Amino acid sequence: KNQVEQSPQSLIILEGKNCTLQCNYTVSPFSNLRWYKQDTGRGPVSLTIMTFSENTKSNGRYTATLDADTKQSSLHITASQLSDSASYICVVSANYGGSQGNLIFGKGTKLSVKP
Amino acid sequence: DAGVIQSPRHEVTEMGQEVTLRCKPISGHNSLFWYRQTMMRGLELLIYFNNNVPIDDSGMPEDRFSAKMPNASFSTLKIQPSEPRDSAVYFCASSWADTYEQYFGPGTRLTVT
Repeated sequence: KNQVEQSPQSLIILEGKNCTLQCNYTVSPFSNLRWYKQDTGRGPVSLTIMTFSENTKSNGRYTATLDADTKQSSLHITASQLSDSASYICVVSANYGGSQGNLIFGKGTKLSVKP
Repeated sequence: DAGVIQSPRHEVTEMGQEVTLRCKPISGHNSLFWYRQTMMRGLELLIYFNNNVPIDDSGMPEDRFSAKMPNASFSTLKIQPSEPRDSAVYFCASSWADTYEQYFGPGTRLTVT
């Protein structure tokens, strides 16, 4: 069964600290993996998208890694800011003829950054 | 660009009533997606269109749900009749088909009493 598991479910860190969010998946055949940030009351915003051949991608203070062999991804946030407080959602796409519709969503990690 | 536009932002209705949610995708995008988000189930893809044609509606929960895209700049998601378990936030997203990046609208919070 195609699944995406994220950990931890929630996380509290102090402003300025780094943190790492985890995503494990059992999706096959794999097409790509995406990380989204969702602020409370708003729609998700794409942070990174990685295909099978990419093992790291950065977007400012956000760095995502992908290990396609172990089917794990992580999102590392450097020097956290109060505005990083949000839910972070891992989404894995199964590859069926290029269709964009085969998306399996994780439940998200809720990050709270405290001053 | 104004981004993806959804209306209404909030909808409260009684069980059994018809509900219509609306979406205007980003101009130039040719793929449109409807999602539902709840605390219990997270984000779920309901249906997506490519060039106004429904490609995958396997996520539509029941026949009570229907979606249309009459032209490239407008789509609707209709629930008839609505039930309390349909209460959720419904998101619309759009993208250029050959890329993976999707742009989400602000969502419609639906409450069915």
